[in-house]
Amino acid sequence: NAGVTQTPKFQVLKTGQSMTLQCAQDMNHEYMSWYRQDPGMGLRLIHYSVGAGITDQGEVPNGYNVSRSTTEDFPLRLLSAAPSQTSVYFCASYSPTGTYGYTFGSGTRLTVV
Amino acid sequence: GQQVMQIPQYQHVQEGEDFTTYCNSSTTLSNIQWYKQRPGGHPVFLIQLVKSGEVKKQKRLTFQFGEAKKNSSLHITATQTTDVGTYFCAGRGSNDYKLSFGAGTTVTVRA
Repeated sequence: NAGVTQTPKFQVLKTGQSMTLQCAQDMNHEYMSWYRQDPGMGLRLIHYSVGAGITDQGEVPNGYNVSRSTTEDFPLRLLSAAPSQTSVYFCASYSPTGTYGYTFGSGTRLTVV
Repeated sequence: GQQVMQIPQYQHVQEGEDFTTYCNSSTTLSNIQWYKQRPGGHPVFLIQLVKSGEVKKQKRLTFQFGEAKKNSSLHITATQTTDVGTYFCAGRGSNDYKLSFGAGTTVTVRA
């Protein structure tokens, strides 16, 4: 099925560990982004990319890295996990030539202990 | 940067009643989008408004974009239990593809 695939769905990390959240889309969308969702705070943009090889910071980028080597993939790296990074992470993709808004993945629930 | 504010944060509705959620931006938007997120799910795109004063309907849902393109509303008539979830508005500025999301309105329905 076409869409945005995120892995893993759940993850528990110890403080200081690193990991990569995977995101892949098969809709040939140019634009991809990572959001985190915390209670009462909506969706906050971490990093985004407008095409392969191009990334930029959103409103809460500290502690996270991204790269975009292909159109399809946009992994999010946590460098040294902290309890403040406990959240639900959503990857989304978008085509500015379309009219269907952002397509979101099913999310990754991350707990840092 | 642009900020999008959404009220109310919570809406408790009797089944069959109407309600409205409001969205306001600190800057003029090129478009505004609305999303619905069911409990435990991910946001799902509902609609996009682009033109000043635009009104669009989807069955019992009516979406409006303000004349100044800085505010929007979602009105739901005859609320049903299937309307439960969180509704987000998200605005895009003139010169980029980034979406700024409001904090959402979480809707619960009393049968």
